[in-house]
Parts: sequence; structure tokens; C-alpha cells
Amino acid sequence: NAGVTQTPKFQVLKTGQSMTLQCAQDMNHEYMSWYRQDPGMGLRLIHYSVGAGITDQGEVPNGYNVSRSTTEDFPLRLLSAAPSQTSVYFCASSYSSLAGAREQFFGPGTRLTVL
Amino acid sequence: GQSLEQPSEVTAVEGAIVQINCTYQTSGFYGLSWYQQHDGGAPTFLSYNALDGLEETGRFSSFLSRSDSYGYLLLQELQMKDSASYFCAVRDPAGNKLTFGGGTRVLVKP
Repeated sequence: NAGVTQTPKFQVLKTGQSMTLQCAQDMNHEYMSWYRQDPGMGLRLIHYSVGAGITDQGEVPNGYNVSRSTTEDFPLRLLSAAPSQTSVYFCASSYSSLAGAREQFFGPGTRLTVL
Repeated sequence: GQSLEQPSEVTAVEGAIVQINCTYQTSGFYGLSWYQQHDGGAPTFLSYNALDGLEETGRFSSFLSRSDSYGYLLLQELQMKDSASYFCAVRDPAGNKLTFGGGTRVLVKP
């Protein structure tokens, strides 16, 4: 199993550009989530999904959209990039929402810089 | 809302024992998780406590006291590879989200 994969690993955007961060898992996990981590800080939840077709907002959802059309994929869209969105983005999954509230498996992260 | 507090940094020597404390304020408590993150890496799950007491996993142990809204992670027989950031996290009342603390950076010296 590849586990949780994320692409790209690094990305530089200009202010106002849009892009999609990709996340996929091959563990048949129901629960998937997106976090951002700013330097020297903890992780903050952006959006999460408890199954295909079901998404909800986390702590810091503004400026981001998600969709979950399949169990495997959970892309994160930046609508109009701003320098405040410079961060490391982690995707995570767990086999259920209940388990996800305890143990999540994280992807390697995408390091995004917005100029 | 939910909030967690951890010390920002701890330094210790190889072979020593380190205790990382975590105090939390939540509207409802369902469990405390611990994650490890090496520089440039992804967080990895270490342990989980839903009930009071000590959970042991090899050199790492985690403790919870629900009455004190307090937990800790104990790292024994420290090794250089244990140099990393450690995060505590609590589950929200709806059971769908984890809220993370700011993390404790552990530096292990020879």
C-alpha cells in the first residue's frame, strides 16, 4: 500500500492564482481531512470528509474548497491564493470518523509559497 | 471551543527521561492523542488515552487524568532519533475532528 499520497511536494504561486492540491489514499478509509501547519505551530483543520459525497468545514476553511467524489481522493482547491496561505498542507485519513478522532495517517505534505 | 497547552521546548541528554505535559480545555472530552513529527516530516500517531491511567508502548508512555484535564507523554531511554516535535490532540464532541496543541520540540543531546 502507498498509504496517503500528496502532490505536488512543493509549489510556488503568485497572489490571485488558483490551484488544486491532490490527496489520495489506497487504504479504503472513510475519513479524510486537510490541515495546514504554519512554522513552529500545530496543525489546524481546514476541511474534512466522513465519506464520499460528504464534506464539512474545519477551523480555518476560508479561501479553500473541497470535494469528495470517490473514497480514494480528496482534493483541496485554493480559489485565489494569498500570501497568508503560505504554509505546509497535510492530508490525513482514517478508516472511520470515530477512529479519525483518535488516529489519523498523514501524507508527506505539500509546501506552498504564495508570493 | 477547545484549547490545549504544551511547553514549547524541552532539552535532555541521551538515556534520560522526558515528560511532556498537556493541559486541555474542552466542551466535552472524548480522548487525548499524541503525535510525533520530525523536522520536514509528517505527523505520526503515537498513542491514545480515553480513560484515566497510563498506556505504555515500548519506550513511550502516555498518561491521562480527566479530573485534572491533564495528560502527559513520557519518553524513556531517550535516543537521538527522538529529537522531534510532539503534539497532543483532543477529539471534538461531535467526534469528527481533532484539535492539536502547539507542539513541544524535544532536543536530545549526546
